[in-house]
Amino acid sequence: GESVGLHLPTLSVQEGDNSIINCAYSNSASDYFIWYKQESGKGPQFIIDIRSNMDKRQGQRVTVLLNKTVKHLSLQIAATQPGDSAVYFCAENKGYSTLTFGKGTMLLVSP
Amino acid sequence: KAGVTQTPRYLIKTRGQQVTLSCSPISGHRSVSWYQQTPGQGLQFLFEYFSETQRNKGNFPGRFSGRQFSNSRSEMNVSTLELGDSALYLCASSPPGGEDTQYFGPGTRLTVL
Repeated sequence: GESVGLHLPTLSVQEGDNSIINCAYSNSASDYFIWYKQESGKGPQFIIDIRSNMDKRQGQRVTVLLNKTVKHLSLQIAATQPGDSAVYFCAENKGYSTLTFGKGTMLLVSP
Repeated sequence: KAGVTQTPRYLIKTRGQQVTLSCSPISGHRSVSWYQQTPGQGLQFLFEYFSETQRNKGNFPGRFSGRQFSNSRSEMNVSTLELGDSALYLCASSPPGGEDTQYFGPGTRLTVL
């Protein structure tokens, strides 16, 4: 498959564990954040988003937390499954469909 | 509803050549953005089009250009290819009123020899 990044931070978990992936963003003026999942050979897939007027948002098995004070974003995946193995990117929107992406974190889930 | 489609999926060119990549957005989406993904630089924004107009441009040389047609389909062109242009080129589209949220295609893998 395609390499989406060398020397990516890697999080290794066991199937069934909860996973937490962290991201620091740069622009305190950003008001919209998105988490994407990218599997080998595929484009980024939208997971969940959050606006700056919120601290937390929940989806199916995923929760995003936003701490604007320290410009930090996290993605929590409950009951991680092997199919969750991928590279996860956070992105901040800077207006006019311009996303700035983080470097990504590789999640490896062992059965 | 069909997702974002990109053609071709794979392309091999030599230095100095030019290349054109195509993107068809999700039906009803009018905003199309392009990104370059490399192992060293990650995902970087190239440009964004809306209603056939370029609204925003990233920090790439003028060799990188694009356009959008009246049916919202978009193309990007890279002229005078360099080895460093080898990358995965991703296209994303956004729904009306939801330009914050972008949905990506599978990308075109360009290799420059």
